[in-house]
Amino acid sequence: GDSVTQTEGLVTVTEGLPVMLNCTYQTAYSDVAFFWYVQYLNEAPKLLLRSSTDNKRTEHQGFHATLHKSSSSFHLQKSSVQLSDSALYYCALAYTGGLSGKLTFGEGTQVTVIS
Amino acid sequence: EAAVTQSPRNKVTVTGGNVTLSCRQTNSHNYMYWYRQDTGHGLRLIHYSYGAGNLQIGDVPDGYKATRTTQEDFFLLLELASPSQTSLYFCASRGHPNTEVFFGKGTRLTVV
Repeated sequence: GDSVTQTEGLVTVTEGLPVMLNCTYQTAYSDVAFFWYVQYLNEAPKLLLRSSTDNKRTEHQGFHATLHKSSSSFHLQKSSVQLSDSALYYCALAYTGGLSGKLTFGEGTQVTVIS
Repeated sequence: EAAVTQSPRNKVTVTGGNVTLSCRQTNSHNYMYWYRQDTGHGLRLIHYSYGAGNLQIGDVPDGYKATRTTQEDFFLLLELASPSQTSLYFCASRGHPNTEVFFGKGTRLTVV
C-alpha cells in the first residue's frame, strides 16, 4: 500500500536559519497528490501547501516544496524560520484516481524554533 | 471556511465499554475520514468514506467500526474499548481527492 516517511521526528532550529523537512513516499499509483499540513499546539492540522505536478515548486507562507517523482520526495523548506513556525508538520499522499480518496499521512516532524 | 464538528470533545470510558464518536460536516463534501493521532505515529487512518452508505477500510481498522449514515454524518464506533484506543481522534472531510482536507477540532478519548 501507499506509505509516507518523514525521517526526522524532532527538529530544533535557531530563528533566522533555514530548515528542511524530509518527506519520501512509496506508491504504486501515478494519479497522486501531495500535501504538507501544519498543526499548532492544541489545534487541528491545516493545509500549508499541495502539489501534484512533477518538478514544480510550490510556495505558501514562506515555505516551499518541489515534488520530485524521480526520487519519490516532497521535502519542505524555509529559508529563514520564525518563532511562530514552531509546530508539528505532516506530509501526506492522496490517491486521486477513482473514487477511493485515500489520504495517508507520515509520522510528522515536530519543529521547535529557538531564539 | 469549511466546518467539521466533532462530538463529544472529550470522553472517558471503561475498558470493555461502548463508545460512539460523531462527526458532522456541512460542506457538501463527498469524502470523510477518521484518524487517530498518537505521538510517534502521526495521523493514522482508521476508516473513510466517499459517500452515504460507503465505507472504506483504513490502515488501522482493528477494534473500530464506522458508519456513514448521510452525506453529512460519519460515526466511529468502539464496541469493546481497550486502553490501547486511548488517543486523540480527528474527523476530516473534503470534496475531491485532489483538494484540501478540513479537520474537526478532535475528540480526546481515554479508556481506563
